Amino acid sequence: GENVEQHPSTLSVQEGDSAVIKCTYSDSASNYFPWYKQELGKGPQLIIDIRSNVGEKKDQRIAVTLNKTAKHFSLHITETQPEDSAVYFCAVLGRGGSEKLVFGKGTKLTVNP
Amino acid sequence: SQTIHQWPATLVQPVGSPLSLECTVEGTSNPNLYWYRQAAGRGLQLLFYSVGIGQISSEVPQNLSASRPQDRQFILSSKKLLLSDSGFYLCAWSRGRAVGGEKLFFGSGTQLSVL
Repeated sequence: GENVEQHPSTLSVQEGDSAVIKCTYSDSASNYFPWYKQELGKGPQLIIDIRSNVGEKKDQRIAVTLNKTAKHFSLHITETQPEDSAVYFCAVLGRGGSEKLVFGKGTKLTVNP
Repeated sequence: SQTIHQWPATLVQPVGSPLSLECTVEGTSNPNLYWYRQAAGRGLQLLFYSVGIGQISSEVPQNLSASRPQDRQFILSSKKLLLSDSGFYLCAWSRGRAVGGEKLFFGSGTQLSVL
């Protein structure tokens, strides 16, 4: 089945700096790649997603890039703010009839004021 | 708009006691429904998913079970809880094969502590 690796597991940045989280996947047929943000004690929320026919997608301070050849995609957060502190999960939609998201293990991002 | 309700928010249960967590979705019909577990400091583990009433697929063998008695109701149960069942349980839904069906929407979670 699909295998998703996410790095780093923890990331600490200063307010205003950029943060980058990277995920690699194993199934070259996968074509949907979302990112979720989970604040403490809450359920994850979808913040951005990308499909395999697009190389990059931006939404204000958040962007996702996809390299299908290398089978990796990354979340970029610019001008980080303390409220960006959370756990971020990448996911990949498994194919072969499963139609289930496979999640990475998460990255705990801390933005220091 | 669609909303997902999950309760209770927190639960403390003794080992060997039964469990029932409930999840309901409003504002949509025939959703795919999911139960995930999140152990402390770990990722999201898919436990069960359902594409329709009475249709349950289990991802991980364990002492938990799931049922879908109604289109928008998903229940996670156990007859006898183990210490290892402690964790943060999340219900989620998606539109399935509809347009945008890949997007997963999570409930607010239930923190279960088995003592």
